[in-house]
Amino acid sequence: AQSVTQLGSHVSVSEGALVLLRCNYSSSVPPYLFWYVQYPNQGLQLLLKYTSAATLVKGINGFEAEFKKSETSFHLTKPSAHMSDAAEYFCAVRPSGYSTLTFGKGTMLLVSP
Amino acid sequence: GAGVSQSPSNKVTEKGKDVELRCDPISGHTALYWYRQRLGQGLEFLIYFQGNSAPDKSGLPSDRFSAERTGESVSTLTIQRTQQEDSAVYLCASSQMTGSSGNTIYFGEGSWLTVV
Repeated sequence: AQSVTQLGSHVSVSEGALVLLRCNYSSSVPPYLFWYVQYPNQGLQLLLKYTSAATLVKGINGFEAEFKKSETSFHLTKPSAHMSDAAEYFCAVRPSGYSTLTFGKGTMLLVSP
Repeated sequence: GAGVSQSPSNKVTEKGKDVELRCDPISGHTALYWYRQRLGQGLEFLIYFQGNSAPDKSGLPSDRFSAERTGESVSTLTIQRTQQEDSAVYLCASSQMTGSSGNTIYFGEGSWLTVV
């Protein structure tokens, strides 16, 4: 069975600071990994995904994530936070050959001026 | 349409009543998913449809929950005899299914269900 752990239900940063949202996964077969963002009262929007090509994946809005097999991690980063980045972020895994996504519990990103 | 469409966007119902939630996937997407998001929690998988194959119902929490899909288009999630713990956002999603687990799953904006 696969699972996703997101460390920290809430992360607070100042505007302009580095954003780091942590995600660790477990999967018995090679995984595909995804980060989604959910703005208040909206659905989920795909930020980026890892599909076994480059281990460093660039997404929308300046976010990127690096797949580290040895650490079973897929942490999300952004060099400089913007107020508009305040949202909830979900990491998800979909093992190769599987059809459904398994989500982490989400991390709420708070950005202060 | 351009995206996954869900209706109603908001529904308040009395405990014990039945509710139906509708999902219209992206045209051409053969895979359709229902997830539930309760307040302060992550997304729980409910059910998955792929073409004419038997649906994967492994995530349905009880026999009060059921879902149907007409061909490769609209799906309806039905909750019978609603309970307060059913209050949640019900998210529908769809994707192309060409054999790759890397395909993106696109989500609708959800149906917010409140059981009073």
